[in-house]
Amino acid sequence: RKEVEQDPGPFNVPEGATVAFNCTYSNSASQSFFWYRQDCRKEPKLLMSVYSSGNEDGRFTAQLNRASQYISLLIRDSKLSDSATYLCVVNDYTGGFKTIFGAGTRLFVKA
Amino acid sequence: DTEVTQTPKHLVMGMTNKKSLKCEQHMGHRAMYWYKQKAKKPPELMFVYSYEKLSINESVPSRFSPECPNSSLLNLHLHALQPEDSALYLCASSQDKGGQGYEQYFGPGTRLTVT
Repeated sequence: RKEVEQDPGPFNVPEGATVAFNCTYSNSASQSFFWYRQDCRKEPKLLMSVYSSGNEDGRFTAQLNRASQYISLLIRDSKLSDSATYLCVVNDYTGGFKTIFGAGTRLFVKA
Repeated sequence: DTEVTQTPKHLVMGMTNKKSLKCEQHMGHRAMYWYKQKAKKPPELMFVYSYEKLSINESVPSRFSPECPNSSLLNLHLHALQPEDSALYLCASSQDKGGQGYEQYFGPGTRLTVT
């Protein structure tokens, strides 16, 4: 089993739709979690950190479910500009620091 | 200002060349990272510097040699690379490498082609 797994997609949604991505992680001791977006041939940009209590930033909501070992990202009212690859990132501190990227989920928002 | 800068943006080098990639941040971050990213793959961690000391080397071949001259600068020295080393090389920094919530901020990357 991969340490961090994501559905690669692609997710094709119309503008205005709500879309959700999940990311599962294998190490129950993982401590910090993040969502990044990456546009084609650009660097990853931090979208949001994911806290135990969940957090929201405008149209974006992130949740952490430690019992089931997954994080989620919900995008409401999708815009064309949301088209990108969404990467989940997990930081592990067991046996030394590790930062692990998921393979990414590709989102296409169509007019 | 969450900005990490990298130079050059593009680099083409032969297998016998020696070149260096540079990364700079002025956010007062104490951890800096080098990643390698191949097309349609996620970034792969190569090295981590924490407080200017190399703390993680992910079994990277010795033809890649990192250097951290001070807390704001990170270099990656390249020598005798192979064509399969062609990739996007990303630098990132974070407040620290430990603890919760230490987000990494990425530079725009150097697109390296080895001929």
